[in-house]
Amino acid sequence: NAGVMQNPRHLVRRRGQEARLRCSPMKGHSHVYWYRQLPEEGLKFMVYLQKENIIDESGMPKERFSAEFPKEGPSILRIQQVVRGDSAAYFCASSPTPKDTQYFGPGTRLTVL
Amino acid sequence: AQSVAQPEDQVNVAEGNPLTVKCTYSVSGNPYLFWYVQYPNRGLQFLLKYITGDNLVKGSYGFEAEFNKSQTSFHLKKPSALVSDSALYFCAVRDTDYKLSFGAGTTVTVRA
Repeated sequence: NAGVMQNPRHLVRRRGQEARLRCSPMKGHSHVYWYRQLPEEGLKFMVYLQKENIIDESGMPKERFSAEFPKEGPSILRIQQVVRGDSAAYFCASSPTPKDTQYFGPGTRLTVL
Repeated sequence: AQSVAQPEDQVNVAEGNPLTVKCTYSVSGNPYLFWYVQYPNRGLQFLLKYITGDNLVKGSYGFEAEFNKSQTSFHLKKPSALVSDSALYFCAVRDTDYKLSFGAGTTVTVRA
């Protein structure tokens, strides 16, 4: 059973470009969570999605960030017009139900030049 | 809101010695507590969790954690540390039904 998959593992963007981060949950998991790890900080919750639904986006910055989890395909975290402060590691986690243990992917390390 | 605190930024131990990584929590209601480990440039790996039941929880790689309600603590322990245990350890509490709130992390270094 493959774990949570994330790609790309490393992403370099220049200021003003768009970043698209992808997450494929573990097989049988329909609940996906995105967390951000800023340098020297712990992980902070960003958004919780089920298939085709955003359940809780209370941790998402109000502008430039969006997330989706379509019926088919991976969950996407999209950051428009990136700025240097967006440089961080972005982790995706999945679980079979919201109360089950969340299993994390390897993360995408975004660097904004 | 639920929260956890990891009072130590770093823990250094010699291989073969006991390892303890501290975590205290602040919750309203029953706590759901977790430990994860992060190796360099990798994702978080689940170690163990406390939901209810026995105060001593056993997890992966020989780790265990003791839930102490009176001291509001959930310390991670390993009787005999290995060099390969060197990593960043996170304590977390489930805040609402699904949202995890993490501590700042403790860097463990086990010297040979």
